[in-house]
Amino acid sequence: NAGVTQTPKFQVLKTGQSMTLQCAQDMNHNSMYWYRQDPGMGLRLIYYSASEGTTDKGEVPNGYNVSRLNKREFSLRLESAAPSQTSVYFCASKREVLRNTEAFFGQGTRLTVV
Amino acid sequence: DAKTTQPNSMESNEEEPVHLPCNHSTISGTDYIHWYRQLPSQGPEYVIHGLTSNVNNRMASLAIAEDRKSSTLILHRATLRDAAVYYCILTMGAQKLVFGQGTRLTINP
Repeated sequence: NAGVTQTPKFQVLKTGQSMTLQCAQDMNHNSMYWYRQDPGMGLRLIYYSASEGTTDKGEVPNGYNVSRLNKREFSLRLESAAPSQTSVYFCASKREVLRNTEAFFGQGTRLTVV
Repeated sequence: DAKTTQPNSMESNEEEPVHLPCNHSTISGTDYIHWYRQLPSQGPEYVIHGLTSNVNNRMASLAIAEDRKSSTLILHRATLRDAAVYYCILTMGAQKLVFGQGTRLTINP
C-alpha cells in the first residue's frame, strides 16, 4: 500500500524556471494538502483541496498554483522559481475535511532554487 | 485562531515514560487536539487525537485537561525510534492542520 506518493524526491532549479510537483494518493481520500517546511521550522500550509474540483489558499500561497487533476492527484506548480522557495514540500491527504480524521503525508520533495 | 505552545526540546531515557506537554489556552469548544510526529528526513505521521476524553492507542496516550486548555502526550516506554519532533495541533476549522514549531524529543540509550 503506497499511501501518498510524491515525485520527484529531489530537484534543483535555476531562478525563474518553472516546475510541477506531483502528488498521488491511493486511499480514496477526498482532501489533499500541500505544505512547505523550511529548515528548523514547522510545516506551513500552501494550498489545499477539500474535494475533487475545489482548491483553496492556505497560509503561504504566493508564488504557487495548484491543480486537483482528479480524486487521486494534486499537483503544485511553481511558475517562476525563486531562492525563497527553497524548501521541503510535503503533500498530505485526509479521508474527509473533518476535524477528527487523520492526515497521511508523503515523504517530501526537497527543492533547491539557485 | 487558537495556538499551541510546546517546549522546544525534551530529553528522556530509553524504556522510560515520556510526557510531552502542550498548552492551548484559547482552544474553542469544537477543536480537536491532534498529535503528529516527524522522524528525521520523513513526512509527519499521525500519533493520536482527542476532543475531551483521554485517549489510548498502540502508539501513545493522550491526556486532556478538564478545561481543555492543555494536554499531554504520553509515550509509555520510549525507544530510540521515538526520537522525533512532536507537533501538537488544533484542527481550527475543518480544513486546517496548522503546525507549530513542535518539541524535539531526544532519547538517550
